[in-house]
Amino acid sequence: NAGVTQTPKFQVLKTGQSMTLQCAQDMNHNSMYWYRQDPGMGLRLIYYSASEGTTDKGEVPNGYNVSRLNKREFSLRLESAAPSQTSVYFCASSEVGYGYTFGSGTRLTVV
Amino acid sequence: DQQVKQNSPSLSVQEGRISILNCDYTNSMFDYFLWYKKYPAEGPTFLISISSIKDKNEDGRFTVFLNKSAKHLSLHIVPSQPGDSAVYFCAASASYNQGGKLIFGQGTELSVKP
Repeated sequence: NAGVTQTPKFQVLKTGQSMTLQCAQDMNHNSMYWYRQDPGMGLRLIYYSASEGTTDKGEVPNGYNVSRLNKREFSLRLESAAPSQTSVYFCASSEVGYGYTFGSGTRLTVV
Repeated sequence: DQQVKQNSPSLSVQEGRISILNCDYTNSMFDYFLWYKKYPAEGPTFLISISSIKDKNEDGRFTVFLNKSAKHLSLHIVPSQPGDSAVYFCAASASYNQGGKLIFGQGTELSVKP
């Protein structure tokens, strides 16, 4: 009963490097989300996918791209990392009308 | 523009007493509200929720109150226990049952002292 699995758990990048954060859920949920958590800012929505094959921007999409690879997987890509993207990233999934289930997060540091 | 606000970054309470966490919102279209609890190095987990058609929802030691006219909700924990020490996020959604997304507040860190 894994729920939502995020990889990696920790990552350090140099400015300008690229990387992809992976997320997979085993609950057969249609909707998936990427949030970032910053001190004093709470959780802010980066991108979401209401269903397989669709993606939409959230509150803070700049500097990120996403791919809904299939119903289970939703990845977040940083093409050219910046120090402002240092954060903790959470993936979540849900069915309409039900609470979100979150992964345990990826702590990303950009130096 | 922060649509969901938790103005207290931290709260310290004695074990056995009541903890009251507050949340204000600005969007009158929000129709569903949730509280999430987060321990360090873990993802947020769902705690309790309330629909806008209600003004109170209770689940064991946790009660959420909604005051729509004031655009304010609160989470009461009675009695507080040391294991309740965590960050609590308030979240809200418009058209939640049609797929509305959750907007989160900044979080309040609760510390329950033995």
